[in-house]
Amino acid sequence: DAGITQSPRHKVTETGTPVTLRCHQTENHRYMYWYRQDPGHGLRLIHYSYGVKDTDKGEVSDGYSVSRSKTEDFLLTLESATSSQTSVYFCAISDLGVGTQYFGPGTRLLVL
Amino acid sequence: KNEVEQSPQNLTAQEGEFITINCSYSVGISALHWLQQHPGGGIVSLFMLSSGKKKHGRLIATINIQEKHSSLHITASHPRDSAVYICAVVVDSNYQLIWGAGTKLIIKP
Repeated sequence: DAGITQSPRHKVTETGTPVTLRCHQTENHRYMYWYRQDPGHGLRLIHYSYGVKDTDKGEVSDGYSVSRSKTEDFLLTLESATSSQTSVYFCAISDLGVGTQYFGPGTRLLVL
Repeated sequence: KNEVEQSPQNLTAQEGEFITINCSYSVGISALHWLQQHPGGGIVSLFMLSSGKKKHGRLIATINIQEKHSSLHITASHPRDSAVYICAVVVDSNYQLIWGAGTKLIIKP
């Protein structure tokens, strides 16, 4: 299995509070991705990174920001959480932009 | 209309049956991925293919680029194959991934 972890694995927070999710990899892969998964929807890309300090928006980026200061860490921040951001968040890594993606275990976020 | 359509959405079968899950897409692609999401939530990549056929154990994936269609087959299905199977395509114009909604497979003993 690819060395990819997410923290926290579960989080309950209140509307309006900031939340940061962390994705950590030990594979030295260039590309890192944040997805959300909701019932009735496929995986939806939030943001991705193609290198240290290089990031770009996905299809559902509103309300989210990301940072990548080291190859191994990709942070997803909800500046002011809303109930619509209740979801399961997956991080993925890839050594090639179009190659196989390896997924982390997911983070379940509940915004009350 | 979604650019990636999977069928069926849900499939229940008996152990031992031959399973086929379909993925159709409407955009030009450079590659197609099949992934498996376990009941516990973990996601595992099964195949990446751009032409022809690939086989791994009891799993076979095929793609027909001209018809914009891919299939995932499971031979001698087993209850441990119960999972959601997801198709995703790599758009050849911008290398973005477009995800299907998934097919939920239940194999009964």
